[in-house]
Amino acid sequence: EIVMTQSPATLSVSPGERATLSCRASQGISSNLAWYQQKPGRAPRLLIYGASIRATGIPARFSGSGSGTEFTLTISSLQSEDFAVYYCQQYKNWYTFGQGTKLEIK
Amino acid sequence: QVQLVESGGGVVQPGGSLRLACAASGFTFSTSVIQWFRQAPGKGPEWVAVMSDDGNNKYYPDSVKGRFTMSRDNSKNTLYLQMDSLRAEDTAVYYCAKRGHAAMAYFDYWGQGTLVTVSS
Repeated sequence: EIVMTQSPATLSVSPGERATLSCRASQGISSNLAWYQQKPGRAPRLLIYGASIRATGIPARFSGSGSGTEFTLTISSLQSEDFAVYYCQQYKNWYTFGQGTKLEIK
Repeated sequence: QVQLVESGGGVVQPGGSLRLACAASGFTFSTSVIQWFRQAPGKGPEWVAVMSDDGNNKYYPDSVKGRFTMSRDNSKNTLYLQMDSLRAEDTAVYYCAKRGHAAMAYFDYWGQGTLVTVSS
């Protein structure tokens, strides 16, 4: 099983600042990576697939990068609605999610 | 618009059974891959079942293999998850989610989830 490890577990950032979230795969997954946002009591929302392709309707402040085993989600200027939990998911070999990064207001 | 609506969750005793349903609309159900996930409190989602669009191929992780059975009724645009021999560790919110692309397993639409609690 491919294990996805996200860091940090919690990230405190002020509105308007940049947030950088990391995800590491236990083995190479090429660009078979997606990022999701989840708010309390809600289902995950697709942000990025193919490591760097924004999903339909996702604002340009969200960007993804990386390939192989190291990936990054960057939110360029945090808005109030961006504070949530973020998950990465690999789909190279079945489907596994990371444990999440909670993005909180500093 | 695309909608996925789960139902059938509830409280069940260990060893009991539940059948979840996922009603789909707004897209061509018969040619889409939709699968089941679950999410325990404070954890990331975990896949529990996947089936090909024609229903001929089904796959399950070891954690539920032999206990969970996925099926679909393309005439009703509905997916099902039969869960037997339930354990406390099966307690979670269960989601159905649609693949964004037939060949790439990222998920562009999710249902609202249904809570399954296994407790005596």
